[in-house]
Amino acid sequence: GEDVEQSLFLSVREGDSSVINCTYTDSSSTYLYWYKQEPGAGLQLLTYIFSNMDMKQDQRLTVLLNKKDKHLSLRIADTQTGDSAIYFCAEIPRSTDKLIFGTGTRLQVFP
Amino acid sequence: EADIYQTPRYLVIGTGKKITLECSQTMGHDKMYWYQQDPGMELHLIHYSYGVNSTEKGDLSSESTVSRIRTEHFPLTLESARPSHTSQYLCASSLGTGELFFGEGSRLTVL
Repeated sequence: GEDVEQSLFLSVREGDSSVINCTYTDSSSTYLYWYKQEPGAGLQLLTYIFSNMDMKQDQRLTVLLNKKDKHLSLRIADTQTGDSAIYFCAEIPRSTDKLIFGTGTRLQVFP
Repeated sequence: EADIYQTPRYLVIGTGKKITLECSQTMGHDKMYWYQQDPGMELHLIHYSYGVNSTEKGDLSSESTVSRIRTEHFPLTLESARPSHTSQYLCASSLGTGELFFGEGSRLTVL
């Protein structure tokens, strides 16, 4: 099956770093994505990484990709209360042209 | 900012009623999607369309139906709502890449 797995919850203190992990299914996926869903809203693309890259940094966000283990992570530096949201990783496996979302990780940031 | 709109945002109806959830986008995207989101966060693709007069069922079986008569409009209809249809419904569109633009969602409660 095509199950993209994530841990359900993560709780961090404001100012600390957050690391959200994802295990995807298809090593031939060309791009891997991170989406953010704020309370009461739809999803929004946060960042993405091309499969031939190991790392991508964009301001406070760092994406790490381990293709051998099919593991993707999102690190948020200096986590703020506004980062509290649900984070979804996603891939487009070769067997389909549709985006497959992970199970979602709810990040809670406390003061 | 994405130009994709869903109405109504919230709807509470009785069992057996017919409902239509509206979704419109002004970006000229050919691809549009409907996702059902559990209270447990997971997203399930229930319908998608790759253009006018093209609709397909998604990975999760749904009793809802969709139509795509115009590029910008992709409504979802439930002929006879039941409590099991209570959920959040998210509409999205894309140019065909992994970047989906989401509406804010329609939260349906069937009593």
